[in-house]
Amino acid sequence: NAGVTQTPKFRVLKTGQSMTLLCAQDMNHEYMYWYRQDPGMGLRLIHYSVGEGTTAKGEVPDGYNVSRLKKQNFLLGLESAAPSQTSVYFCASTPAGGVLEQYFGPGTRLTVT
Amino acid sequence: KNQVEQSPQSLIILEGKNCTLQCNYTVSPFSNLRWYKQDTGRGPVSLTIMTFSENTKSNGRYTATLDADTKQSSLHITASQLSDSASYICVVSLNTGGFKTIFGAGTRLFVKA
Repeated sequence: NAGVTQTPKFRVLKTGQSMTLLCAQDMNHEYMYWYRQDPGMGLRLIHYSVGEGTTAKGEVPDGYNVSRLKKQNFLLGLESAAPSQTSVYFCASTPAGGVLEQYFGPGTRLTVT
Repeated sequence: KNQVEQSPQSLIILEGKNCTLQCNYTVSPFSNLRWYKQDTGRGPVSLTIMTFSENTKSNGRYTATLDADTKQSSLHITASQLSDSASYICVVSLNTGGFKTIFGAGTRLFVKA
């Protein structure tokens, strides 16, 4: 089991460029999440999904879009990158809702210049 | 306002010593509290999960306590090792039926030989 994987690991974008971050999990988990982590702050939820074909907004969704076409994949898109989106992005998954362990990916470090 | 505050921000201890990290929260309605360990450049890994009715939970040399009345939690690390050097994150989930989770900013622990 690879667990939760993220690609790419690092990326540098120019303002206005677009990109997609890919998250994949091989644990057959229902729920998947995208977070961003900024220095001195706790992780903040961007979007999440409770199952294939469903997505919902989290705490900081502006400037991002997501898709969950397959249960094992959760994509995070930036249509027009801004310097404020410079951050480390983490994907996570859980088997279902409730008090269950959340499994995180290794993160993607994105810099927007 | 729902908040999770951790102290200290950073801590340096000698290998073999014990330490205690603090987490205070003003989150309501409370569902559960988790402690994560995050190594540099990696995603968070779950250490303990406690619900309202639990006041202590251990995972090897890590012991978490929860006082739901005072809204405080602590993570005690016994006989520290160099590999304990990491950030420790306190996370509180709300019992709102949604995905409201508040992450603390973390305590950065350095264990020196």
